[in-house]
Amino acid sequence: DAGVIQSPRHEVTEMGQEVTLRCKPISGHNSLFWYRQTMMRGLELLIYFNNNVPIDDSGMPEDRFSAKMPNASFSTLKIQPSEPRDSAVYFCASRGTQGAQYFGPGTRLTVT
Amino acid sequence: AQSVTQPDIHITVSEGASLELRCNYSYGATPYLFWYVQSPGQGLQLLLKYFSGDTLVQGIKGFEAEFKRSQSSFNLRKPSVHWSDAAEYFCAVGQYNFNKFYFGSGTKLNVKP
Repeated sequence: DAGVIQSPRHEVTEMGQEVTLRCKPISGHNSLFWYRQTMMRGLELLIYFNNNVPIDDSGMPEDRFSAKMPNASFSTLKIQPSEPRDSAVYFCASRGTQGAQYFGPGTRLTVT
Repeated sequence: AQSVTQPDIHITVSEGASLELRCNYSYGATPYLFWYVQSPGQGLQLLLKYFSGDTLVQGIKGFEAEFKRSQSSFNLRKPSVHWSDAAEYFCAVGQYNFNKFYFGSGTKLNVKP
C-alpha cells in the first residue's frame, strides 16, 4: 500500500498568492482529514470528510481556506490569498473501517 | 469536554533504559486511544491503538501501552530504548465514530548514547 500521498512536499510562496495542497488517501478509506501543525498551536484539525462530503469544517481558520473532495481518491486544500501566518506543515490523513487515522508525510508551507 | 494531556514536554533517557510516556485523557464515553510517533520532517505514524478488550496493547517497534480506566490513563512504554526512538510522541483519543481525534501536545524524546 502506498499510504497517504501529499503534494507538494514543500511550497514557498509570496503573500497574496493562491496555494493548493493535494492529497490522495489510502485506497478504500472513506474518511479524510486535513490538519495543520505549528509550534505554537500544535496539531489542529481543519476539516474532515466522510464519503467525500465535508462533515465538520469548524477548524478552518478563515474564509481564505477552502477544501474539496471531488472523489474518493483526491482532495485539495486551498488558501487564497495566502498570508505569512499560514506558514505551517499541513497534513492529510485518511481512515478506513478500522478506526485509526493514517497520516501523509505533510506539506511544509512557507509564505513570505 | 474531550481533552488529552501529555504532562511531559521533553524527556531524555539513556539508550538501553526503559521508557514510559504519560497520557491522561478526559472523555465522557468509552475512549478509543492511540499513540503516534513523529520523526523530524515526517508525518505521524501509528504505533498502537486500543478499542476494547485486553488493556495491555502491543504495538510496532517494541512499544506497548496500558489502558487504566480508573486513572484515565494510557501510558506508553518500552523496556529498552534505542537511539532511533528519538522523536515526538503523540497520544490521541477518538470519538466513538472515530471522526474526531483529540491529540495531546506531544512529548519529545531525546535518547542519550
